[in-house]
Amino acid sequence: QKEVEQDPGPLSVPEGAIVSLNCTYSNSAFQYFMWYRQYSRKGPELLMYTYSSGNKEDGRFTAQVDKSSKYISLFIRDSQPSDSATYLCAMSVKGGTASKLTFGTGTRLQVTL
Amino acid sequence: DAGITQSPRHKVTETGTPVTLRCHQTENHRYMYWYRQDPGHGLRLIHYSYGVKDTDKGEVSDGYSVSRSKTEDFLLTLESATSSQTSVYFCAISVEGIGEQYFGPGTRLTVT
Repeated sequence: QKEVEQDPGPLSVPEGAIVSLNCTYSNSAFQYFMWYRQYSRKGPELLMYTYSSGNKEDGRFTAQVDKSSKYISLFIRDSQPSDSATYLCAMSVKGGTASKLTFGTGTRLQVTL
Repeated sequence: DAGITQSPRHKVTETGTPVTLRCHQTENHRYMYWYRQDPGHGLRLIHYSYGVKDTDKGEVSDGYSVSRSKTEDFLLTLESATSSQTSVYFCAISVEGIGEQYFGPGTRLTVT
């Protein structure tokens, strides 16, 4: 079983819909949680970064962490065709010599007109 | 991708040949990382560096070596490329040893 599980999709939604992307994890030591967006043939781009449990909002994006359930979510409001990309969750533990991120395999999102 | 470049961006090589990929940053960040990305596996850490000449292994380090002689450059070497090393390689940097990382544009490597 992978430490981080993410539904690969593809997830297809109409423009303007609310999108919910999710990851579950098994390592209770994870404390830092990130969401990346990756367009085709590009590098991952950091969208959201949260520490521990709770919500964080940035424009149309909301990241949610529930450590008790080992579950994180990314919500996209008023989705746009430009949001079509693969979304990767990532997480890391505190401590050590460097931040070793553990990634989900990514969910491919398609926002249609 | 701002502040991080990778070279070459594409490379085709033959099995058994040595290959070196370069990551260059202009951000003066202490931490640098090499990942590979494969379908079904996501991004996996190969090696990382926490300072000049300070490096350590990641999850999938077999067959790879790294070097960092300057803050801005982090080299990944495949001593003798194999077809299983066909992948997209990403370099990343971070300010601190915890938390968020920023990725380069990637190098697409094909080993025939």
